[in-house]
Amino acid sequence: ETGVTQTPRHLVMGMTNKKSLKCEQHLGHNAMYWYKQSAKKPLELMFVYNFKEQTENNSVPSRFSPECPNSSHLFLHLHTLQPEDSALYLCASSQDSAGGRSQYFGPGTRLLVL
Amino acid sequence: SQQGEEDPQALSIQEGENATMNCSYKTSINNLQWYRQNSGRGLVHLILIRSNEREKHSGRLRVTLDTSKKSSSLLITASRAADTASYFCATDPPNTGKLIFGQGTTLQVKP
Repeated sequence: ETGVTQTPRHLVMGMTNKKSLKCEQHLGHNAMYWYKQSAKKPLELMFVYNFKEQTENNSVPSRFSPECPNSSHLFLHLHTLQPEDSALYLCASSQDSAGGRSQYFGPGTRLLVL
Repeated sequence: SQQGEEDPQALSIQEGENATMNCSYKTSINNLQWYRQNSGRGLVHLILIRSNEREKHSGRLRVTLDTSKKSSSLLITASRAADTASYFCATDPPNTGKLIFGQGTTLQVKP
């Protein structure tokens, strides 16, 4: 257990559905991250939140919409996804988003878009 | 282009043997970290080595860093079947506030 939980663990959705991924950290951290991990590709940083403020949007399509209501919770709202969005979505947290912090990852949500 | 690239991409050894994985990167860094990922799970932080350090140990793990060659290695001694996982290096280029991950080395330790 890393202190970061993600729900659901698995999700199958159609291209017209709307769903949300949830991440919660119990570490007292102030920075939270969303990553996308596709087969045979490096981990891709999607969004960074530091003290609830978004500090990084790595050119992510608008069909992915993050929300960070407080430093412990992070959501990723999904709508009208494409099959190529199927991947493992990982949430992570760190003390803050200053460079070089160790990051603590959740177990991920395995997403399949049909 | 990727900041961190691991070598080899895949490694298969017998239990008890040592496993060495290498990571090369392109820009200057503040530090370099190694993570492990079991199949379909999240990444687990293993060790962080700062740019002014040359070697660091943690249990059966030994990490070296050569900033002149922009490379790092992770050595797992006396490997166990439970070490089977993918291993990633992550670099922290200055003034980016980001960790840049490589594609990883997949290690299989056969019992």
